[in-house]
Amino acid sequence: NAGVTQTPKFQVLKTGQSMTLQCAQDMNHEYMSWYRQDPGMGLRLIHYSVGAGITDQGEVPNGYNVSRSTTEDFPLRLLSAAPSQTSVYFCASSYSTEGGGVFGPGTRLTVL
Amino acid sequence: GNSVTQMEGPVTLSEEAFLTINCTYTATGYPSLFWYVQYPGEGLQLLLKATKADDKGSNKGFEATYRKETTSFHLEKGSVQVSDSAVYFCALTKGGSEKLVFGKGTKLTVNP
Repeated sequence: NAGVTQTPKFQVLKTGQSMTLQCAQDMNHEYMSWYRQDPGMGLRLIHYSVGAGITDQGEVPNGYNVSRSTTEDFPLRLLSAAPSQTSVYFCASSYSTEGGGVFGPGTRLTVL
Repeated sequence: GNSVTQMEGPVTLSEEAFLTINCTYTATGYPSLFWYVQYPGEGLQLLLKATKADDKGSNKGFEATYRKETTSFHLEKGSVQVSDSAVYFCALTKGGSEKLVFGKGTKLTVNP
């Protein structure tokens, strides 16, 4: 049982490049979400999914796309990276509305 | 909208000191409340939670009580250790949703 895994751990992009942050969980959780963490801002919700085939926007969705083709995977896509997307990204999953979520180890992204 | 306000950090204590980190919230209805801890270089871990008024969450010597009358969920520990040095986040979810709303975090440093 690996919990929530994220790849890569670190990434440096140039402005305008695209990339996908991977997130996978092996706990059969229905709910998955992406957060970004910025200094002095706490964590803010980017996108979330309540099950395979269902996604919705969170607080800061602009510049990011998601899809949920399987229960296990929830990738986050940056189509055209901008310096404002420099951040640490966390994926989380949970099975109930009272679970509070299990977080992955994070991906530190720098956009130059 | 829903929001969480935490005391500003950083907080620096000596080992065996008493810890309080204040957290207040704004939400309609009856949110679930959480404390997460983030150790250096790691993702977030759920520390404790409470899902209804007057519930007390506890874990690893930490406690927090859900006070609806004061809309608070203050984190306390009677005797901190150096290993408790971390960033602590207060968070809430609205009933039926796993969309976490976080405070900005409070950095705790415990000196020997």
